[in-house]
Amino acid sequence: SQQGEEDPQALSIQEGENATMNCSYKTSINNLQWYRQNSGRGLVHLILIRSNEREKHSGRLRVTLDTSKKSSSLLITASRAADTASYFCATDPGNTGKLIFGQGTTLQVKP
Amino acid sequence: NAGVTQTPKFQVLKTGQSMTLQCAQDMNHNSMYWYRQDPGMGLRLIYYSASEGTTDKGEVPNGYNVSRLNKREFSLRLESAAPSQTSVYFCASSARANTGELFFGEGSRLTVL
Repeated sequence: SQQGEEDPQALSIQEGENATMNCSYKTSINNLQWYRQNSGRGLVHLILIRSNEREKHSGRLRVTLDTSKKSSSLLITASRAADTASYFCATDPGNTGKLIFGQGTTLQVKP
Repeated sequence: NAGVTQTPKFQVLKTGQSMTLQCAQDMNHNSMYWYRQDPGMGLRLIYYSASEGTTDKGEVPNGYNVSRLNKREFSLRLESAAPSQTSVYFCASSARANTGELFFGEGSRLTVL
């Protein structure tokens, strides 16, 4: 079964709006990562947040982590058409080095 | 700057045929991974290699074998392909397990008829 589950599965917004996607996981983690996948391409790492961090920023990205609720959110501010992609969270639930991905959120940003 | 290179990019097989997907990384990474991606299923881990000489099963290893040939190369073999193995396969690498980002190849699109 998937460790991480993203919500919503699909999101459509207008350029300039903010996009928020959520990830829930089942077991304790050392860190949580977010990746982006453009259509037909490989995944690209966006950001890693450690279990002792509550919030992290990278450019227009803001990631939060709530270990008590076993959830994380990815906020993309002032979205652009180029942000259209699928976004995945990933964790290593057993701290074994095996990174497990959620099913992803597909984001469409309309110009 | 190649990163992670997968070959072939596209392959069509008949049921029962065998093939090997090749993956090589030039970043001197210790850990390497094979995932498959199916519509609506996200990425599922097939096999994982924490370091040269070691391999471990992931979520969906049945029907696959792997070889960590050296630090650079990690191959995935389908001994007797089945239609259920039609998928996009991604190879990835990381400097160290569980400590950082994965770098992905561009994928190998396999169709089994």
